[in-house]
Amino acid sequence: QVQLVESGGDLVKPGGSLRVSCAASGFTFRDYYMSWIRQAPGKGLEWISYISSTSRYTYYADSVKGRFTISRDNARNSLSLQMSSLRAEDTAVYYCARAQNDYGLMDYFDYWGQGTLVTVSS
Amino acid sequence: QSVLTQPPSVSAASGQKVTISCSGISSNFGNNYVSWYQQLPGTAPRLLIYDNYKRPSGIPDRFSGSKSGTSATLGITGLQTGDEADYYCAAWDTRLSIGVFGGGTKLTVL
Repeated sequence: QVQLVESGGDLVKPGGSLRVSCAASGFTFRDYYMSWIRQAPGKGLEWISYISSTSRYTYYADSVKGRFTISRDNARNSLSLQMSSLRAEDTAVYYCARAQNDYGLMDYFDYWGQGTLVTVSS
Repeated sequence: QSVLTQPPSVSAASGQKVTISCSGISSNFGNNYVSWYQQLPGTAPRLLIYDNYKRPSGIPDRFSGSKSGTSATLGITGLQTGDEADYYCAAWDTRLSIGVFGGGTKLTVL
């Protein structure tokens, strides 16, 4: 069965960096686009990034553009999000999700991980 | 402020029907599909509806979706207490090249 397991969430100081990862299993990882979505405490879902199956295309929300970098390793069935210049407002649970695409554009997220908590605080 | 607009909350009695609206603009709803997600308390979201009205396997037919122009609607019939959750709509915004979610709607079953 499809499984997505995030890891790497931690407490980090403002201005710091952190890398969160997602281990995928139960499907052919290299065939799918993947995405990161976050949820601040008590708030709604926020899409933050999307990567194509071959890493050729990446997209970012304005709120993280220039600070976050999405990447994937198809040989290791792994998705990552490198976060830098972290701010208090980046505090959230970060979910990885498998994305179905419609001619290369995001369509929907059919499987989600359980999330990993990133807390940015001094 | 979310790009897609949903009511913050809806409520209905057990066994009844409820609808949740989601409104967007032409750049996200115009030619793109809408999906819906259910998030039960303390859990990760799960896909309820995709491509405007399709249900993944395992989702009961009590859940339905529709889209017309720049509005979409999630319908739930035969409400159960287990349906109490937050519901989110989502789409791709072609002009901004970003994914967008609605702000979420909290469903209370009375």
